Amino acid sequence: DVKVTQSSRYLVKRTGEKVFLECVQDMDHENMFWYRQDPGLGLRLIYFSYDVKMKEKGDIPEGYSVSREKKERFSLILESASTNQTSMYLCASSLDRQLDEQYFGPGTRLTVT
Amino acid sequence: TQLLEQSPQFLSIQEGENLTVYCNSSSVFSSLQWYRQEPGEGPVLLVTVVTGGEVKKLKRLTFQFGDARKDSSLHITAAQPGDTGLYLCAGAWGSQGNLIFGKGTKLSVKP
Repeated sequence: DVKVTQSSRYLVKRTGEKVFLECVQDMDHENMFWYRQDPGLGLRLIYFSYDVKMKEKGDIPEGYSVSREKKERFSLILESASTNQTSMYLCASSLDRQLDEQYFGPGTRLTVT
Repeated sequence: TQLLEQSPQFLSIQEGENLTVYCNSSSVFSSLQWYRQEPGEGPVLLVTVVTGGEVKKLKRLTFQFGDARKDSSLHITAAQPGDTGLYLCAGAWGSQGNLIFGKGTKLSVKP
């Protein structure tokens, strides 16, 4: 079974702090994704990566950056956290561009106060 | 801009009832997936449909992909409390393996 793990289930940070969310997958998947999920807005794509050191902006990249130094690990960085970044953050991976089934981690509930 | 509209947004039914959830778009997708998400957890893939008109069954769940590959439905027979959750449809488009997600149908099945 594919396993996608995220570094924290719950996180509370203060406005202005730098926040790192880490995601690791164990199935040698090429593609990795970061989403945020908010009530009434659904899942929105922040960034994705289809190879090591490659990254592409999704629909809402502002205020975020990402890092993919190793194939199995994809990090989401909030450079200066703000209260409007309070959300559920979901990481996902998929095998390759031809097979788009995505496997999700359990999510990180981030609260910025 | 591709959009996936799901209906209904909320559904509350009694155990044993049948229900259908719809996922509609004006865009054509190469495939469509259904996920179920429980509170505080990530979505879990249920099924992928690829061919127009395709029907897939997963125990009491029946998934159908529209002939034109623009819409899909999920039918649950004799719903059980364990079916409670958020059901998300997602359409695949483009060459990078990206998905467009609907906003989901929140299902509550009461014993």
